[in-house]
Amino acid sequence: EAAVTQSPRNKVTVTGGNVTLSCRQTNSHNYMYWYRQDTGHGLRLIHYSYGAGNLQIGDVPDGYKATRTTQEDFFLLLELASPSQTSLYFCASSRTGSQNTLYFGAGTRLSVL
Amino acid sequence: QQKVQQSPESLIVPEGGMASLNCTSSDRNVDYFWWYRQHSGKSPKMLMSIFSNGEKEEGRFTVHLNKASLHTSLHIRDSQPSDSALYLCAARGNSNNRIFFGDGTQLVVKP
Repeated sequence: EAAVTQSPRNKVTVTGGNVTLSCRQTNSHNYMYWYRQDTGHGLRLIHYSYGAGNLQIGDVPDGYKATRTTQEDFFLLLELASPSQTSLYFCASSRTGSQNTLYFGAGTRLSVL
Repeated sequence: QQKVQQSPESLIVPEGGMASLNCTSSDRNVDYFWWYRQHSGKSPKMLMSIFSNGEKEEGRFTVHLNKASLHTSLHIRDSQPSDSALYLCAARGNSNNRIFFGDGTQLVVKP
């Protein structure tokens, strides 16, 4: 099964702080995604990428930047974090092609105080 | 607005019973659908996928797809307590590979 590793697993920061969430996949997948999950909601797409240097805007991008430095690594950056960004963040990867099942990391729980 | 609508929001079924979950996309530019299952405190895992009109069965799980109405349904027969989880429907945009999810159906199977 595809391996997707997120770090850190838990993070606490203060309002206005800078946070970087990391994601690494080791299965040579082209696509990588960042989602957030809040109580009462499913997964909402923040940003995604189809390769190193590429970035696509998702459905809830405000307040987030992302960067895909290599095929393996995808970072989510929160500059000037706000309490509304307190959430559970999932990274996922998938192959190119029609049947691109998502493989998820274990998640990062972020609290912005 | 939410592009994938799931119903019901929550569902309680007795052990051994049938659970039926629904999902419809309001975005007509989608082509593929998945059902993911997320147990409490865990990450989502793909349960079933369907890309063509009709029905697909895998063990106790059956998924239907009507591409004209962009409606898919998941049916779980002989439900077990271990099936208790959040079930998420996902759809893929056919022009941009964007994969988006509904808000999920919380299933509880009571022994």
